[in-house]
Amino acid sequence: AQKVTQTQTSISVMEKTTVTMDCVYETQDSSYFLFWYKQTASGEIVFLIRQDSYKKENATVGHYSLNFQKPKSSIGLIITATQIEDSAVYFCAMRGNNNRIFFGDGTQLVVKP
Amino acid sequence: GGIITQTPKFLIGQEGQKLTLKCQQNFNHDTMYWYRQDSGKGLRLIYYSITENDLQKGDLSEGYDASREKKSSFSLTVTSAQKNEMAVFLCASRDWGGAYEQYFGPGTRLTVL
Repeated sequence: AQKVTQTQTSISVMEKTTVTMDCVYETQDSSYFLFWYKQTASGEIVFLIRQDSYKKENATVGHYSLNFQKPKSSIGLIITATQIEDSAVYFCAMRGNNNRIFFGDGTQLVVKP
Repeated sequence: GGIITQTPKFLIGQEGQKLTLKCQQNFNHDTMYWYRQDSGKGLRLIYYSITENDLQKGDLSEGYDASREKKSSFSLTVTSAQKNEMAVFLCASRDWGGAYEQYFGPGTRLTVL
């Protein structure tokens, strides 16, 4: 069975701080891809960052980075120097050997000034 | 760059009515998806299509039909609209291959009277 779980429903942080959002996944596939997406208040969903399971280095894009812990089946999203516009819902997703993409239920991030 | 267009943006129907949602993409992507997002919830897969004329059921396919007659378009039909399926329906597409991320359309909001 394949599954993605985000246990944090909502997180609130002060602007300019660092936040980590958790995600754990289940898969029997030997090779898989992990993604993080952001859904803004308008409903728009955009891709942020990806981790390939065979890569040991954590992916980094701008002020987004990942904490990939393969033995724990965990892929955390780290946002440094948070900004007000980072307030959104963040979804973790996984693609296995087929074309299905499995999504977590999302974490609501509120960045306060 | 490309874009995903979903029509209509808002769809209002009567309970029991058959309703069709349309999605067009100009990325030339092979794979397309339909998701349902209930208010404040995550994305649940209804149908996906790996290529033209292919259809694969997701977890929520009961009560829905899909059609992929062209590479660029993917339609979803609600066979008998119910009040408990008022939600936003999101279309997405991606290129063939494991590493590619999904691109999402703006969504169709369904209201059932």
